[in-house]
This record gives sequence, C-alpha cells and structure tokens, in this order.
Amino acid sequence: KNQVEQSPQSLIILEGKNCTLQCNYTVSPFSNLRWYKQDTGRGPVSLTIMTFSENTKSNGRYTATLDADTKQSSLHITASQLSDSASYICVVYSSASKIIFGSGTRLSIRP
Amino acid sequence: GAGVSQSPRYKVAKRGQDVALRCDPISGHVSLFWYQQALGQGPEFLTYFQNEAQLDKSGLPSDRFFAERPEGSVSTLKIQRTQQEDSAVYLCASSEELAGGDTGELFFGEGSRLTVL
Repeated sequence: KNQVEQSPQSLIILEGKNCTLQCNYTVSPFSNLRWYKQDTGRGPVSLTIMTFSENTKSNGRYTATLDADTKQSSLHITASQLSDSASYICVVYSSASKIIFGSGTRLSIRP
Repeated sequence: GAGVSQSPRYKVAKRGQDVALRCDPISGHVSLFWYQQALGQGPEFLTYFQNEAQLDKSGLPSDRFFAERPEGSVSTLKIQRTQQEDSAVYLCASSEELAGGDTGELFFGEGSRLTVL
C-alpha cells in the first residue's frame, strides 16, 4: 500500500533553534517528493521538490534531503522564526493523479 | 486573481442538505484535484480532472459526492444529503502538466470549510 509516514506528529521549539522533520514513504513507482507548508486556515504551499537523483536541496532556511534507497526524506529548518509555525506535509508523487500526502508535522515556534 | 480561488470559504449545512463547493483554478492549468482534509490530518485525495475529463474519482467516499469540470476550467464539488462525517475542509488544487505527463507543483486554494450540523 502506498503510504507516507511523518514524524514527529507535533513539535515545539524555541525561536532561533533548529529542527528536523522526518518522512518515510513506501510509494511506488516514485516520481518526486515535495515538502509543503500549511499555515492554519490556508492551503498548502510547496517549499521544495526532490527528484530521484537529488540528495539535498536548500530553499533559504529550509534544507530537504532525500535517500531514495531507504525511502526517507527530511526537512531541516535552521534559525527558526515565529512565522515557521505551521504544519509541514511530506508529499510523494507517484504518477499524474497518484499523489500521496503524509499527515503532517505540526510545528510550533515559541518566543 | 492569480491564484486558485474557492467559494464559499465557510459553509454550515443541516444534515440532509445538498451543498456545492466551487473552485476556480489558475488560468491555463490542465490538472485539477479535490482533497478532503480532516482536522489535524493531511489532505486525502477525492478526485482528479485533466481538462474536462474526470480521470480518477477513486477517492470519492460515496455516491453522494459528485464533481464536475464541464468546460475544463471551473470545477464544482457537490455533496448530496450531507452527513456529519462530511464535515471537513475541502481543498482544490490545480497544476500544469509537465512533459512526460508528470504533474507539476500543486497550487492550492484556501479551502472550503464545511460544517454539517
């Protein structure tokens, strides 16, 4: 069964600290993997895209990694800001319509 | 506007009523998706259109759910005889179709929050 599992389910950290969110998937075939940020009451917004051949990609303070052999991805956030408080959703694209969403990690940044 | 627009943003329905949720995708986007998102969960796939063709409706939970995109642009998700378990946020997303048939980045609307009393 195609699944995307994320951990932790929720996380609270102090402003300025770093954190890493995990994503394990069992989706096949694999096309690409994206991390989305979803603010409360808003639709998800794409942060990064990882293709099969990419190991790491950065977008400002966000760095995503992908290990296609172990089917794991991580999202690392450095120097967290209050505006980083959101749900972060790992999404694996298998085919045109087979896009599998994880349940998300709810991140709270405390001042 | 330049983004995906959904209406209404909020809908309260009495159990048994029919509701219709509208999605205006980004102009020119071939692909359109509907998702259902329960509180604290990730979006769950409902249905997928490529232009006006509904290519996948495997995620629709029952025959009370119906979606259409008659002219390949605006889409409507209709829920008949609403039940309390239908209460959720309904997200619409559109995307370009990339070379090779892959789906590009999904651009989401703000969602329509449905509450069934």
